[in-house]
Amino acid sequence: GESVGLHLPTLSVQEGDNSIINCAYSNSASDYFIWYKQESGKGPQFIIDIRSNMDKRQGQRVTVLLNKTVKHLSLQIAATQPGDSAVYFCAENSGGYQKVTFGTGTKLQVIP
Amino acid sequence: EPEVTQTPSHQVTQMGQEVILRCVPISNHLYFYWYRQILGQKVEFLVSFYNNEISEKSEIFDDQFSVERPDGSNFTLKIRSTKLEDSAMYFCASSDVKGGVANEKLFFGSGTQLSVL
Repeated sequence: GESVGLHLPTLSVQEGDNSIINCAYSNSASDYFIWYKQESGKGPQFIIDIRSNMDKRQGQRVTVLLNKTVKHLSLQIAATQPGDSAVYFCAENSGGYQKVTFGTGTKLQVIP
Repeated sequence: EPEVTQTPSHQVTQMGQEVILRCVPISNHLYFYWYRQILGQKVEFLVSFYNNEISEKSEIFDDQFSVERPDGSNFTLKIRSTKLEDSAMYFCASSDVKGGVANEKLFFGSGTQLSVL
């Protein structure tokens, strides 16, 4: 069935280093992907998105890479800061706009 | 920055009781959603709502669940007879319109933690 999943449940990174969080998806029809950040006790917060007609998109300190050939998505965070500590979810929308399917989440721990 | 607000932040109820979770979406948004997250698991879609009717729902959203927009600002989720497995964090979200359809960028509230005893 359709699914969006993450390779690593927990990632520990030294402050100042770059972080890479990976995600695999199975639905070839997915055409829109989103990364959300969820801090403890809060709802998911939009970080960055990418459409299937792109393979890279950059934001402030974050970059999302999309490899449609292998159905893989990654989130790169440059110069990771303690405030980046959170659970990161990849999510996809396959055109219906109203149902976003979330992956299982990766916990990012930043070591000061 | 405008935000989605949810009340209460925590709700404890006895099994079989009815609960209503409340949300105030962002004021100019037209699409409203409920998601839930069981502890340690994925965020799961429950329902989307537009123009005073349900536009899409998941298999989780059975006859025990209902949604309502009782006035111009609130959006509620009602669970008629709660079960133990309904215990979860319930998130409300909203989005505006882009190109005549729902904007994929959702804004989430901080959630209501529902505990069914």
